[in-house]
Amino acid sequence: GESVGLHLPTLSVQEGDNSIINCAYSNSASDYFIWYKQESGKGPQFIIDIRSNMDKRQGQRVTVLLNKTVKHLSLQIAATQPGDSAVYFCAENIAGGYQKVTFGTGTKLQVIP
Amino acid sequence: DGGITQSPKYLFRKEGQNVTLSCEQNLNHDAMYWYRQDPGQGLRLIYYSQIVNDFQKGDIAEGYSVSREKKESFPLTVTSAQKNPTAFYLCASNDSGQGKQPQHFGDGTRLSIL
Repeated sequence: GESVGLHLPTLSVQEGDNSIINCAYSNSASDYFIWYKQESGKGPQFIIDIRSNMDKRQGQRVTVLLNKTVKHLSLQIAATQPGDSAVYFCAENIAGGYQKVTFGTGTKLQVIP
Repeated sequence: DGGITQSPKYLFRKEGQNVTLSCEQNLNHDAMYWYRQDPGQGLRLIYYSQIVNDFQKGDIAEGYSVSREKKESFPLTVTSAQKNPTAFYLCASNDSGQGKQPQHFGDGTRLSIL
């Protein structure tokens, strides 16, 4: 079936290095993608989004890349900090009568001081 | 500050008991959602509401009920019919009238069985 998935369940990164978290999606009808950060015991926090008419979008220290050809999404975090340690998951918005969103299972980012 | 408030943070349910989880938002969002989060799984949609006095079942609505009497409130009741209620419950909202917008989440309610 159609699904959103992540390639790596856990990613360990040295403080100050860049982090790259990947996500594969399979629904070609998806036209809106979102990255969330979730810290332990808290709700997901919106990081950045991208629409299918774009290939790249930048925020503060974060960049999302969208490759529609291979149905791949990535989140790049520059100069990773200890406060970036969390679970990150992507979500795809499948076109429909309501904003149905399918969430991935998440990648845990561990920042090594 | 605007946001979504979920209460209580922790909730315990006895067998055969119904419990209600509160979700309030002051973001003036039209749409509200309830999700269930289990370890190792993505969020699963329980119910959603796009407008006051209207709501729709999500993917796992059995054993749950909701109401949407006010724009800012979307309480979720976990009924005794829900045999595996232990989970982290998340409420979200967004402005569905402005094209595709990200859902914003509360900090969740963790429900456990006594």
